[in-house]
Amino acid sequence: EIVMTQSPATLSVSPGERATLSCRASQSVSSNLAWYQQKPGQAPRLLIYGASTRATGIPARFSGSGSGTEFTLTISSLQSEDFAVYYCQQYNNWPPATFGGGTKVEIK
Amino acid sequence: EVQLVESGGGLVQPGGSLRLSCAASGFTFSSYSMNWVRQAPGKGLEWVSYISSSSSTIYYADSVKGRFTISRDNAKNSLYLQMNSLRDEDTAVYYCARMARIAARPGVMDVWGQGTTVTVSS
Repeated sequence: EIVMTQSPATLSVSPGERATLSCRASQSVSSNLAWYQQKPGQAPRLLIYGASTRATGIPARFSGSGSGTEFTLTISSLQSEDFAVYYCQQYNNWPPATFGGGTKVEIK
Repeated sequence: EVQLVESGGGLVQPGGSLRLSCAASGFTFSSYSMNWVRQAPGKGLEWVSYISSSSSTIYYADSVKGRFTISRDNAKNSLYLQMNSLRDEDTAVYYCARMARIAARPGVMDVWGQGTTVTVSS
């Protein structure tokens, strides 16, 4: 089973600043990597798939990059609604789909 | 509007059983594979089970294999999860999630329900 590791666990950022979240796979997952956003009390929402393709309706301030074992989610200018927990998920070796432990983006 | 609505959660004793349901609307349910994903209190996401559109292919996480059974009724636009021999560690919010048809490989989940809470406790 592929293990996904996210860092940092918590990221404190001021509104309007850039946030950079990292995700590492224990072995190559090619570009088969998705990112989800989850707000308190809500279901996860798909942001990015294929490592860099935004899902329908996702603002351009969200961007994904990377391949193999190292991936990054960048939020270019944080808005108030972006403070949430973000999960990466590999689907290269599926099943099982495996998720990272999450990065909480909080207001600085 | 594309929507998934889970139901059936509740409090159950260890060793007990529970059946979760997920009602789909706003899309052609019979054309999509579906998943169950759970989230223990304060923890991350854990994929639980998958069923193909025709029910011909089913997968389970090792943690639930032999205890949980996924099924669907395309005529009723519904997905189910029969959970038997429940353990404390099965306590979680259970989400049903649609498998996207946008990625090069299966595994991306593009629509999620709001979740139903299962608590296993004596």
